[in-house]
Amino acid sequence: GDSVTQMEGPVTLSEEAFLTINCTYTATGYPSLFWYVQYPGEGLQLLLKATKADDKGSNKGFEATYRKETTSFHLEKGSVQVSDSAVYFCALSDRMKTSYDKVIFGPGTSLSVIP
Amino acid sequence: GAVVSQHPSRVICKSGTSVKIECRSLDFQATTMFWYRQFPKKSLMLMATSNEGSKATYEQGVEKDKFLINHASLTLSTLTVTSAHPEDSSFYICSAGPGLAGADEQFFGPGTRLTVL
Repeated sequence: GDSVTQMEGPVTLSEEAFLTINCTYTATGYPSLFWYVQYPGEGLQLLLKATKADDKGSNKGFEATYRKETTSFHLEKGSVQVSDSAVYFCALSDRMKTSYDKVIFGPGTSLSVIP
Repeated sequence: GAVVSQHPSRVICKSGTSVKIECRSLDFQATTMFWYRQFPKKSLMLMATSNEGSKATYEQGVEKDKFLINHASLTLSTLTVTSAHPEDSSFYICSAGPGLAGADEQFFGPGTRLTVL
C-alpha cells in the first residue's frame, strides 16, 4: 500500500541554519504531496503542497519539489527561526485510489531551533 | 481558507464513561470527514472515514463498536468513545475536505485531547 517515510529526528539547529527534512513515498497512483506542520499543543496546518511531478510548493520560506524519479519531496528552508520549532509531517493523498482523499502521513520530524 | 472546528478541545473523564467529540466544517460542506488518532510524539493514525448519511468505514484494527462515528449532516461528524479506558487517552483529530471530486486538500481541526482516568 501507499506509504511515506521521513527522517524522524529530533533535529536541533541553530537559528539561521539551513534545514533539510527528507521525505520519500511509495504510491501506485498519482499522489499529491504535502507538508503539514504541528506547533506545540496545536492541530495540523498545511505548510505547502505539490500536485504533480516537478511542481515546487513554497510557503513561509519553506520549499519542497515533487521528484517523481526519486519519489521524494524533501523540505528545505534556507534560514530557520526559533518560531519554526514544530513537528513536520510529510504526507500524500492518492486521488486515483479512492473516491475520497485519504491522507497518509509519515512519522513526523521534530525540529527544535535554538537561538 | 476552510475552517474545521472541534469540541471540546480537552476532556477528562473517568474510566467506563463515554465521551463525544464533535467535528464541524464551518464554512464549507464536507461530504467526507476523517478521524485520526495521534499518540505522544507519534504520527497520525487514520481511524475511520465518515461519509454523510452512511456508515463510517473503519481502518483495520479499529473497533467500530468502541469508536462510534456519526456523520449526520454535511457540516457535522461526531466520534463517541464508548466505555473509555486509560489506553484510549490520546489526541483525536478530525479533517474534512470540500467534497469536490479529486480535491487534494484536507483541512484539519485543532484536535481534542482525551484523558481517561
